Amino acid sequence: GAVVSQHPSRVICKSGTSVKIECRSLDFQATTMFWYRQFPKQSLMLMATSNEGSKATYEQGVEKDKFLINHASLTLSTLTVTSAHPEDSSFYICSAREWGANEKLLFGSGTQLSVL
Amino acid sequence: AQSVTQLDSQVPVFEEAPVELRCNYSSSVSVYLFWYVQYPNQGLQLLLKYLSGSTLVKGINGFEAEFNKSQTSFHLRKPSVHISDTAEYFCAVSVGPGQKLVFGQGTRLTINP
Repeated sequence: GAVVSQHPSRVICKSGTSVKIECRSLDFQATTMFWYRQFPKQSLMLMATSNEGSKATYEQGVEKDKFLINHASLTLSTLTVTSAHPEDSSFYICSAREWGANEKLLFGSGTQLSVL
Repeated sequence: AQSVTQLDSQVPVFEEAPVELRCNYSSSVSVYLFWYVQYPNQGLQLLLKYLSGSTLVKGINGFEAEFNKSQTSFHLRKPSVHISDTAEYFCAVSVGPGQKLVFGQGTRLTINP
């Protein structure tokens, strides 16, 4: 069945490096994907909406040059955290829209990013 | 713009007891309503959703929710909880099918034996 696969599940990196997170739709095509960020014991905050073949739409307050989103195919969107700093440490979750008779949003399992 | 308020940040209950997790929303347009569950270090799983029709919605794992338009509420209920229901629960709204979700702050449900 339709599933959203997110990798890696956990990443630890040094301050100043860049980290790429992948979000893949399996068994369905996703023209739209959403990237969320969740701080410990807090809710999910939408960062950006990723549309296949076009530029992502970022929410207010989200730095587009720091959080690079690429949605080059109908099954893959990537989020790259550039020059990561400790304050970027968070849980990142992607979701993809599955069209059909029972349209819904499917979520990936999330990526825990820890920046040292 | 839409907003969601989950009135309880934490709800402790005993196993086999009933539970209600409260959710209120604000919107100038009609919305779709959702409840998601998040187990530790995992993504979100859809419990149930209200799009239209009957205001009482049944979901997975024995959960149900009732949409109350006049009170702008969408409270989640389960008549008898199990230890495995321990998780974080999020209420969310969107303005259309497959549109971006606006989440509440979450309610941590803890089941005690």
